[in-house]
Amino acid sequence: DGGITQSPKYLFRKEGQNVTLSCEQNLNHDAMYWYRQDPGQGLRLIYYSQIVNDFQKGDIAEGYSVSREKKESFPLTVTSAQKNPTAFYLCASQRNRGIAGGGASTDTQYFGPGTRLTVL
Amino acid sequence: AQSVTQLDSHVSVSEGTPVLLRCNYSSSYSPSLFWYVQHPNKGLQLLLKYTSAATLVKGINGFEAEFKKSETSFHLTKPSAHMSDAAEYFCVVSDGSARQLTFGSGTQLTVLP
Repeated sequence: DGGITQSPKYLFRKEGQNVTLSCEQNLNHDAMYWYRQDPGQGLRLIYYSQIVNDFQKGDIAEGYSVSREKKESFPLTVTSAQKNPTAFYLCASQRNRGIAGGGASTDTQYFGPGTRLTVL
Repeated sequence: AQSVTQLDSHVSVSEGTPVLLRCNYSSSYSPSLFWYVQHPNKGLQLLLKYTSAATLVKGINGFEAEFKKSETSFHLTKPSAHMSDAAEYFCVVSDGSARQLTFGSGTQLTVLP
């Protein structure tokens, strides 16, 4: 089965601890993304990576870190510097084709099932 | 810059009646537009997407959406609601330049028996 897996499904953390959320995809997609979702809000982009060994900050990167050592894996670390980490975290991947003339990418982002992080 | 506004945070319909979820967008480019659905504690599933082909887009589970450039709208509709449609729905715009998506704040759909 092709898809995106995230683990764990639920994660509890004490204040001051770093935790790492796993995201793996076997779709052979180049790009991977991490989003945060809070109640009543849409998704906000934390980090994204278009290619192995390269990643960029999204809109709310402070207090988070990522790595992209392998194409299929994009783990997210929530550090103790993140002041309000309790949220639902979603990972996504996308196949990026070159778009002649810089037009809009029509490729779809596919989402994993999410990890719910709670800080105790 | 791009943005998405979902005009209703909550919509309630009776089973068997039509569904209308409203979405307006703004984009500096010719946008791609998407509707995703999210059931509780699950990831997002793509319902349909518009990519500058036909303006009326058909998706899964009987949903469809119409791209209206003059109104900058991309409303989601379904002729007859089913109990399983109860979920949160997100309208999403992509301008493609940075391959990033901008999400609306979501519309919670309740289907009453």
